[in-house]
Amino acid sequence: ETGVTQSPTHLIKTRGQQVTLRCSSQSGHNTVSWYQQALGQGPQFIFQYYREEENGRGNFPPRFSGLQFPNYSSELNVNALELDDSALYLCASSLGLGQGSPLHFGNGTRLTVT
Amino acid sequence: DQQVKQNSPSLSVQEGRISILNCDYTNSMFDYFLWYKKYPAEGPTFLISISSIKDKNEDGRFTVFLNKSAKHLSLHIVPSQPGDSAVYFCAAVIMNYGGATNKLIFGTGTLLAVQP
Repeated sequence: ETGVTQSPTHLIKTRGQQVTLRCSSQSGHNTVSWYQQALGQGPQFIFQYYREEENGRGNFPPRFSGLQFPNYSSELNVNALELDDSALYLCASSLGLGQGSPLHFGNGTRLTVT
Repeated sequence: DQQVKQNSPSLSVQEGRISILNCDYTNSMFDYFLWYKKYPAEGPTFLISISSIKDKNEDGRFTVFLNKSAKHLSLHIVPSQPGDSAVYFCAAVIMNYGGATNKLIFGTGTLLAVQP
């Protein structure tokens, strides 16, 4: 069983640029969630995709957008990068929705904005 | 507005002793709670969960206790092992609001160090 994989592992961008982060969900999982973890904080929910549709969004501006593909892999796009976007971005997959579907996290992408 | 709080940033325990990690929450609509463990350079790993209709759930060395009236939960690890050294996150879910979702609200984490 292949776990959740994220790419790249590290990324350095300049303020104002755009970035795309990628996530391959665990085999058989149809739900992908993205979280942002700033230094010293817990992960914060960005949004979730279920069967290619957005299913819930956290308190993040519209310049954070995403996609889920037919194979259930996903992308997180961030436009007009700001210094405060520097964080660990975590992707998590699960089988369906509900309490019986614990999230399986990838190892994250460390984004640094200079 | 921090709805899930872990007020102890760190905890140090001797190997073989009990580790108790605490978590408080403010939103009475939370109806499911989870604990995740995170090693450096890895993503969080699910440990154990508890529904709001229960007050205790046990899985091997890990037990989670829920006190709804106090809006408090705790994770007990007995006996503690050096491999348990990691950051532990408490998380909460509202399952019945706005449809099915597994959006988690995380605390800030507690760094557990188990000394050999």
